[in-house]
Amino acid sequence: QQPVQSPQAVILREGEDAVINCSSSKALYSVHWYRQKHGEAPIFLMILLKGGEQKGHDKISASFNEKKQQSSLYLTASQLSYSGTYFCGTVGFGGTSYGKLTFGQGTILTVHP
Amino acid sequence: DAGVIQSPRHEVTEMGQEVTLRCKPISGHNSLFWYRQTMMRGLELLIYFNNNVPIDDSGMPEDRFSAKMPNASFSTLKIQPSEPRDSAVYFCASSPQGIFGQGTRLTVV
Repeated sequence: QQPVQSPQAVILREGEDAVINCSSSKALYSVHWYRQKHGEAPIFLMILLKGGEQKGHDKISASFNEKKQQSSLYLTASQLSYSGTYFCGTVGFGGTSYGKLTFGQGTILTVHP
Repeated sequence: DAGVIQSPRHEVTEMGQEVTLRCKPISGHNSLFWYRQTMMRGLELLIYFNNNVPIDDSGMPEDRFSAKMPNASFSTLKIQPSEPRDSAVYFCASSPQGIFGQGTRLTVV
């Protein structure tokens, strides 16, 4: 079961903030966040493993609500280099979901000067 | 560490030909994934291995697709015979984090 991301697209001006959400219908073991620029491979940003865990990477951070099976990616004071497509990947518990990393449809983020 | 290494980076082949894509995962990573990415379907999981054993191949589109992982440092994805609708970017990723290789852009004409 693929996770669902929202919104599908975001347009920002430099310095503005954005939030990208990722939700799953199944219990999650981990959530992985990536950024992909056109013509390139997805770049790993961070992994969240525990319920309620939060992590940060420069001005990009994320939270994971295990009970709600949701994760959010927070981009603060956006820079032009943040433009790209953001994907969340999820790994479920047990059965056919064990160890299986599947991806949402992506959120296109565009930052203008 | 050189990261996940895929070869070739680009492949152009004629319909009906056999295509083999190769992947070298990061040393010590115990899971390996093959994905296909297209504009229409996004990032599709084709198959994944854990400790060299195929765990779930439900994403493999047809019997024309096969994948192997003979050892911890090498995996192949084979398409035989290839068709134009197989044209896509194929990524290999290794875990636990899910680090992607640079991908192979396959064009079947």
